[in-house]
Amino acid sequence: EDQVTQSPEALRLQEGESSSLNCSYTVSGLRGLFWYRQDPGKGPEFLFTLYSAGEEKEKERLKATLTKKESFLHITAPKPEDSATYLCAVYQAGTALIFGKGTTLSVSS
Amino acid sequence: SQTIHQWPATLVQPVGSPLSLECTVEGTSNPNLYWYRQAAGRGLQLLFYSVGIGQISSEVPQNLSASRPQDRQFILSSKKLLLSDSGFYLCAWSRRQGLEQYFGPGTRLTVT
Repeated sequence: EDQVTQSPEALRLQEGESSSLNCSYTVSGLRGLFWYRQDPGKGPEFLFTLYSAGEEKEKERLKATLTKKESFLHITAPKPEDSATYLCAVYQAGTALIFGKGTTLSVSS
Repeated sequence: SQTIHQWPATLVQPVGSPLSLECTVEGTSNPNLYWYRQAAGRGLQLLFYSVGIGQISSEVPQNLSASRPQDRQFILSSKKLLLSDSGFYLCAWSRRQGLEQYFGPGTRLTVT
């Protein structure tokens, strides 16, 4: 059973069409949740860390939020350059980061 | 600022040949270092991590090994490659366990 599940697997948006990506987790004792962006053929790029339920972080058109069981990455008025795979990872004390399989976002103009 | 390097960027090797991938970090000292493999549809799989020189922890049994000969150098090796070793190999560093990890550009390995 996956401990970190991301949905949807793929998302196609029109430029300017806002949406949200979901990351749900089943680990107990969450010590941190991380969002990354990965472009094809490149290493993941760190975006945000969230530590506690209710916390929010923003960067340009992206906003990440955290509840006790899931995190959302909200994308407001996306542009084609936001097209990428977005990865979520969780840290449970004493373990390594556990990554989800990612959501591949395509934004067309 | 910190920078992480990996080489080579791409590699094509025959089955049974040896492997050596190198990762170096600049601009920080005593980082935690990690090797991941990313296969299509399977997400990032942690292979090894290191909290200091000569200290290596293995997460998945396999024919790969890792070494950390210097504080900011991490090497992934194999004596004999298998077809199943093909994939995208990523090195990452963090200031300590549990903090955000920063990834290198990756090495695309194809075993033929």
